[in-house]
Amino acid sequence: DIQMTQSPSTLSASVGDRVSITCRASQTINIWLAWYQQKPGKAPKLLISKASSLESGVPSRFSGSGSGTEFTLTISSLQPDDFATYYCQQYSSYTPYTFGQGTKLEI
Amino acid sequence: QVQLVQSGGGVVPPGRSLRLSCAASGFTFSLYGMHWVRQAPGKGLEWVAVIWYDGSYKFYADSVKGRFTISRDNSKNTLYLHMNSLRAEDTAVYFCARDREVQTISSFDPWGQGTLVTVAS
Repeated sequence: DIQMTQSPSTLSASVGDRVSITCRASQTINIWLAWYQQKPGKAPKLLISKASSLESGVPSRFSGSGSGTEFTLTISSLQPDDFATYYCQQYSSYTPYTFGQGTKLEI
Repeated sequence: QVQLVQSGGGVVPPGRSLRLSCAASGFTFSLYGMHWVRQAPGKGLEWVAVIWYDGSYKFYADSVKGRFTISRDNSKNTLYLHMNSLRAEDTAVYFCARDREVQTISSFDPWGQGTLVTVAS
C-alpha cells in the first residue's frame, strides 16, 4: 500500500497568513494527488486534482504543487472560511486509494 | 445539479448486517466509478470500496474485504454498500463519492452527505 504522510498535523495561523501543508507519498505517484477540505459535520470538498489543477469555484488563493513523492498545498492569504481540516489523497494505486491523516488548520 | 443523497445507517448490534444506499442525480450515473469512504469518530478518512462504472470490477480495503459488498443498479442510479458481520470498529460516518472523471481513475467529486453507522449492543 502507498502511505501518505501529511505535515504538520495541526497548524495555527491568522487571517491573512500564507500557509503550506506538505504531503509525502511512500512511493512515486506521479501527479495523481488530490487535496480536500473538510469542515465539521460536512463531507469533504475537492479543492485540487492532479497535484495542481484547481477545481472550478475554488478560490485562487489555493494552489497545489509537486510531483513524484512530495506535494504541497498553499493558501496564499488565509480567510476565515479556510479554517478546516485538509486531506491529501493518492489515486495512483487504487488498491487501495489512501488518504493522509489530515491537517487541522486552526486560528 | 449533480447530487448524491444517502440513506440507511443507524445503530446495529455487532455481527449483524446493514445496507447503505446512495441515490445519484444530475449526471449519467452509468458512466462513473463510485466509492464508499468512511470516517470513524474524530478520525481521518478511510477509503472502503470502489465499483467500476459498469460494475465489472470491485475493490475493497483489507479492513472490510469478505464482509462488505459494493454494488450498483444503473437502472435506478443507485449505489449500495452491503455490510455484514459488523464490528465495533466499523462505527463511522460513511460517505459515497463519485469519480471526478468519466470511466477513469480520478479524484472524488461530488460526495454524499454522509450517514452514521454505529455498531453497538
